[in-house]
Amino acid sequence: DAKTTQPPSMDCAEGRAANLPCNHSTISGNEYVYWYRQIHSQGPQYIIHGLKNNETNEMASLIITEDRKSSTLILPHATLRDTAVYYCIVRPTNTGNQFYFGTGTSLTVIP
Amino acid sequence: GAVVSQHPSWVICKSGTSVKIECRSLDFQATTMFWYRQFPKQSLMLMATSNEGSKATYEQGVEKDKFLINHASLTLSTLTVTSAHPEDSSFYICSARALLAGRKSSYNEQFFGPGTRLTVL
Repeated sequence: DAKTTQPPSMDCAEGRAANLPCNHSTISGNEYVYWYRQIHSQGPQYIIHGLKNNETNEMASLIITEDRKSSTLILPHATLRDTAVYYCIVRPTNTGNQFYFGTGTSLTVIP
Repeated sequence: GAVVSQHPSWVICKSGTSVKIECRSLDFQATTMFWYRQFPKQSLMLMATSNEGSKATYEQGVEKDKFLINHASLTLSTLTVTSAHPEDSSFYICSARALLAGRKSSYNEQFFGPGTRLTVL
């Protein structure tokens, strides 16, 4: 079962930063936080993941709170192509790597 | 990056027939693949975990005799929907686990296929 809570939808102006929150208050010490996104009728695309420290890559930044009970995905300069459903997933490191998707956040980037 | 393909990308079949969907890891070997199902405007639901050379592990509520999974090689897993009915119409997505070299250490990662749209008439 999904262990995350996300707002169902968000809007963001093109060129501005998109900040997508995720609540994972029951996260365990050995669980990573993953972010994927799904553009309509396509397979999910990996964005970023982290355990404790903040992470950054060419797509986004991941900010994890000190208590690890929540995180924020930041798309620094949102474009129209970033319109998608964004999924925050917690996954243990010592299991079969199954992902249980929650309902995600539908992000709409507005021109 | 690791690429996963699915075939076919879409299929329409008559009720009562069986449909096979292929999932291939194109540039890496995957000992584990996963199958998901997604209904319109809903999230992905994990159906089963497919391990090369062994029986698949099905999630609770998924009928193993209806959704047959075969993982015969390190690059191919197949999902067969047997005796398909209109309620089986859905978007079926597979993923494959790859071992990648990270900045600090190697780690396992899942890469998803583009999905297969199944419509049962």
